[in-house]
Amino acid sequence: NAGVTQTPKFRVLKTGQSMTLLCAQDMNHEYMYWYRQDPGMGLRLIHYSVGEGTTAKGEVPDGYNVSRLKKQNFLLGLESAAPSQTSVYFCASSYLGTVTNEKLFFGSGTQLSVL
Amino acid sequence: DQQVKQNSPSLSVQEGRISILNCDYTNSMFDYFLWYKKYPAEGPTFLISISSIKDKNEDGRFTVFLNKSAKHLSLHIVPSQPGDSAVYFCAASATGSNYQLIWGAGTKLIIKP
Repeated sequence: NAGVTQTPKFRVLKTGQSMTLLCAQDMNHEYMYWYRQDPGMGLRLIHYSVGEGTTAKGEVPDGYNVSRLKKQNFLLGLESAAPSQTSVYFCASSYLGTVTNEKLFFGSGTQLSVL
Repeated sequence: DQQVKQNSPSLSVQEGRISILNCDYTNSMFDYFLWYKKYPAEGPTFLISISSIKDKNEDGRFTVFLNKSAKHLSLHIVPSQPGDSAVYFCAASATGSNYQLIWGAGTKLIIKP
């Protein structure tokens, strides 16, 4: 079982470059999330989606865009990368939303460095 | 201002002994708490949870205790095993919180042989 798959696993960008992180899940989950994890801090929600074709802002959405064109995929885009976006990015999914206390299934993360 | 705090960045415990990981929160609206475990180069995986209507929840070697008056929860692992060496995250949510889990910074648990 693949679960939640993130690509790429590592990426180095120069300031101002753009990129897209891909998240794919094969569990038929409705809900998908993008988090970032920074040293000394907990995971922070960037954007989330409650179903195909829907997206919403989380706690730290600035500088990111997302799309959920297919139920199994959730894309995170950085249009103009900044050093402050250096972080580890995690995608997660759940059958129901976290508001119903459904546990999350996470991908293995993407280490992004912006120089 | 961190609403969920794990004040110990790391903890070292002898194999076979009890590991106690602590978590404090400030938001009295939180009514559900979860613990996740994370190995290097992997994403977090769900470990155990507790609702605010309970003060204890057990699952095998893992027990979570909730003290609502102190806004404190703890995860007990008994007995500790080498495979328990990982980073443990505490997370909290409030009913109607619009899909937001608030996470602590994590505690790295090291089990010594």
